[in-house]
Amino acid sequence: DTGVSQDPRHKITKRGQNVTFRCDPISEHNRLYWYRQTLGQGPEFLTYFQNEAQLEKSRLLSDRFSAERPKGSFSTLEIQRTEQGDSAMYLCASSFPHGQLEVTDTQYFGPGTRLTVL
Amino acid sequence: AQSVTQLGSHVSVSEGALVLLRCNYSSSVPPYLFWYVQYPNQGLQLLLKYTSAATLVKGINGFEAEFKKSETSFHLTKPSAHMSDAAEYFCAVTFSGNTPRVFGKGTRLSVIA
Repeated sequence: DTGVSQDPRHKITKRGQNVTFRCDPISEHNRLYWYRQTLGQGPEFLTYFQNEAQLEKSRLLSDRFSAERPKGSFSTLEIQRTEQGDSAMYLCASSFPHGQLEVTDTQYFGPGTRLTVL
Repeated sequence: AQSVTQLGSHVSVSEGALVLLRCNYSSSVPPYLFWYVQYPNQGLQLLLKYTSAATLVKGINGFEAEFKKSETSFHLTKPSAHMSDAAEYFCAVTFSGNTPRVFGKGTRLSVIA
């Protein structure tokens, strides 16, 4: 069990540029979640996948945000035309709710990607 | 709308003292509740969760929390603080139907030697 990994750990970009973050979940986990965490706040849910299906995306912050999980393994989160307000920590989590209620499954979090938009 | 409120953005205790981190939830339906810990430069780690099986929930690292419906609370406690407990702690809530977890703003715990 190598844990959830995220790449890059830090990203500095200029306003208007596109950025893409990658998340590699724990290998057998079929659920993958994206959250955003701003300074002084708790994580805010963005979207989640079960295998390759994106089951909830209404919480994505705007149409500039999109996520994919094409083969049901790793996932990418893309932000187009970045704005300074997008500066935050982007967290990924994964789970495999075997024997648990899905709504209370144990989500394992990665270390996050810190985005700074200048 | 579902929400949690964590009272106190920063709590400071002496090593060996009781740790009490407060969380109150707002809900019209039975909630599921969680406590997470976040160490610097690390991801969130689940400490414990309430899933309606028992009101007193024991978690990792000696932490426990008690669900009190009458007080809409789920406070986190530890009898004796260790230096290694210094971190950010988050309370979260969800409900049935795959609603996303809603996190509180967090409480930073400092432990003084």
